[in-house]
Amino acid sequence: DAGVTQSPTHLIKTRGQQVTLRCSPKSGHDTVSWYQQALGQGPQFIFQYYEEEERQRGNFPDRFSGHQFPNYSSELNVNALLLGDSALYLCASSLGRDPYEQYFGPGTRLTVT
Amino acid sequence: GNSVTQMEGPVTLSEEAFLTINCTYTATGYPSLFWYVQYPGEGLQLLLKATKADDKGSNKGFEATYRKETTSFHLEKGSVQVSDSAVYFCALSDHNYGQNFVFGPGTRLSVLP
Repeated sequence: DAGVTQSPTHLIKTRGQQVTLRCSPKSGHDTVSWYQQALGQGPQFIFQYYEEEERQRGNFPDRFSGHQFPNYSSELNVNALLLGDSALYLCASSLGRDPYEQYFGPGTRLTVT
Repeated sequence: GNSVTQMEGPVTLSEEAFLTINCTYTATGYPSLFWYVQYPGEGLQLLLKATKADDKGSNKGFEATYRKETTSFHLEKGSVQVSDSAVYFCALSDHNYGQNFVFGPGTRLSVLP
């Protein structure tokens, strides 16, 4: 049973560029949440997708957008990258509105230079 | 808003020592509480959870009790092992405000042989 997978593992971008990160949820899960984890800090909630719609959003600017596909996989897009966007981006999947069993992927390390 | 505070690390212990990592929270609703663990190079793994006051979560020798009167959820283990070296995150999910998680900053634990 595959867990949550994310791609790519690492990414280096230049300030001002755009980036797309991808996530495949755990088998059977239909909800995907994205988090940003800066170095030495806890994860910060970006947004959550359910039934292909953004259900909740944290305190992140509109430069951060996402999408969920019919197979429940998801993308996180960040436009006009800033140096401060450098972080580990974590995807977590869960089933429906159940907040208890949230499974995390290994993350994508984004470095903005 | 909701928040989680953890004791600052790093915490360094000898093998078989007793572990306590303090966690306190602020929430306007009735949150569920969690401890997640992050091993080097990996994503977050759910360690244990408690969904209501006085519940005790336990897993792999770790325990934490939901104390509403002190708004705390301290993590304890009677005898740590080298393999317990990781970063530990306390988190809450407030059902009155959606299912997104609020994480603490994390506490790094190093266990020496």
